[in-house]
Amino acid sequence: DTAVSQTPKYLVTQMGNDKSIKCEQNLGHDTMYWYKQDSKKFLKIMFSYNNKELIINETVPNRFSPKSPDKAHLNLHINSLELGDSAVYFCASSQDRGRLVGNTIYFGEGSWLTVV
Amino acid sequence: TQLLEQSPQFLSIQEGENLTVYCNSSSVFSSLQWYRQEPGEGPVLLVTVVTGGEVKKLKRLTFQFGDARKDSSLHITAAQPGDTGLYLCAGGSNQGGKLIFGQGTELSVKP
Repeated sequence: DTAVSQTPKYLVTQMGNDKSIKCEQNLGHDTMYWYKQDSKKFLKIMFSYNNKELIINETVPNRFSPKSPDKAHLNLHINSLELGDSAVYFCASSQDRGRLVGNTIYFGEGSWLTVV
Repeated sequence: TQLLEQSPQFLSIQEGENLTVYCNSSSVFSSLQWYRQEPGEGPVLLVTVVTGGEVKKLKRLTFQFGDARKDSSLHITAAQPGDTGLYLCAGGSNQGGKLIFGQGTELSVKP
């Protein structure tokens, strides 16, 4: 069983469209994240939720809206897609927030978004 | 702003060679992690170092945390093609739960 699964894995869409990426974790973790990896492989956090509550919201355009219906799911909706949104989006989860020691962050396989 | 700089960004070596990847910052981190990412997959945690001067070994990989907790290194002995991948260092920020990543080192080990 995949611990953190996200769909779709690949998404090609036109500028201006709205799209969603779904994420589910079956690890029983309390905290989930969205990270963005750009074309230079730089990985940066976008959002973090703990028990369905938003706790980290980086400087991300408000076209990006995360939604956590329950603590096992964290979806990412993107409105009015732009060329610069092309990237790999990673969902991740961990048991706790605020510490690294003994708190492994598990990443999904990524969703490769291409905006044309 | 806390930043982590990795060097080198790209490294292509022959099987059997040794290599070191560096992760440096002007900021102090409470702990630092190293991840390995293979193509088409997400990063996977290799190690967490916590104490200044700490050294951890994982088979042929040796990780060191600087005494001042501002830098770290990853040394691979006798590299193998299976070591090929993107190596990322990441530090715990002073904003709880937020990982700050370096820009990564792409390692290619040729047989």
